Amino acid sequence: GIQVEQSPPDLILQEGANSTLRCNFSDSVNNLQWFHQNPWGQLINLFYIPSGTKQNGRLSATTVATERYSLLYISSSQTTDSGVYFCAVGDSGAGSYQLTFGKGTKLSVIP
Amino acid sequence: GAGVSQSPRYKVAKRGQDVALRCDPISGHVSLFWYQQALGQGPEFLTYFQNEAQLDKSGLPSDRFFAERPEGSVSTLKIQRTQQEDSAVYLCASSPDRGGTQYFGPGTRLTVL
Repeated sequence: GIQVEQSPPDLILQEGANSTLRCNFSDSVNNLQWFHQNPWGQLINLFYIPSGTKQNGRLSATTVATERYSLLYISSSQTTDSGVYFCAVGDSGAGSYQLTFGKGTKLSVIP
Repeated sequence: GAGVSQSPRYKVAKRGQDVALRCDPISGHVSLFWYQQALGQGPEFLTYFQNEAQLDKSGLPSDRFFAERPEGSVSTLKIQRTQQEDSAVYLCASSPDRGGTQYFGPGTRLTVL
């Protein structure tokens, strides 16, 4: 199956700092999502981005499908950005629509 | 509008008991997924429904796990004869189509004593 690697595993930021989270995947995909899991465990959709670039406020994401990686940018970080960020990918070519998740990046934003 | 809901939010079971976890997907969503998330790990796929048809159950860890979605909306994940290694958060997700964005519920935290 598809392998997903996220880096860094842990990240500590001062409030106001910027960061880049990376997701590498081992095979071609036609689904890629970024999620934020808040301290209460809820997975919140950030982006559906199998290719290209998207922006939503202080967050943006870029996926280069041909090189099998995606980047999530967080600018002007806030304490509410703390939590675990997951990248998840899927390839429906084999008829399955499941997502395969990475192990996540745990982000702590300190005041 | 309402998101994906799951019940109960927390479940404590004694080893050997059967449990049933419920998922109410977003209205009109065709696809429904179940995932299992162990502590400190990413969610792992269990099974997938398209309407009432269970099209992929390759992630179910044993024959003690059973899922159904009889009318193509609400789904139930049943675990028979629970064991300690079943302790995890069980997440349900739905999607309006087959390969698009998946929206997750808050999960059910199962603890098996």
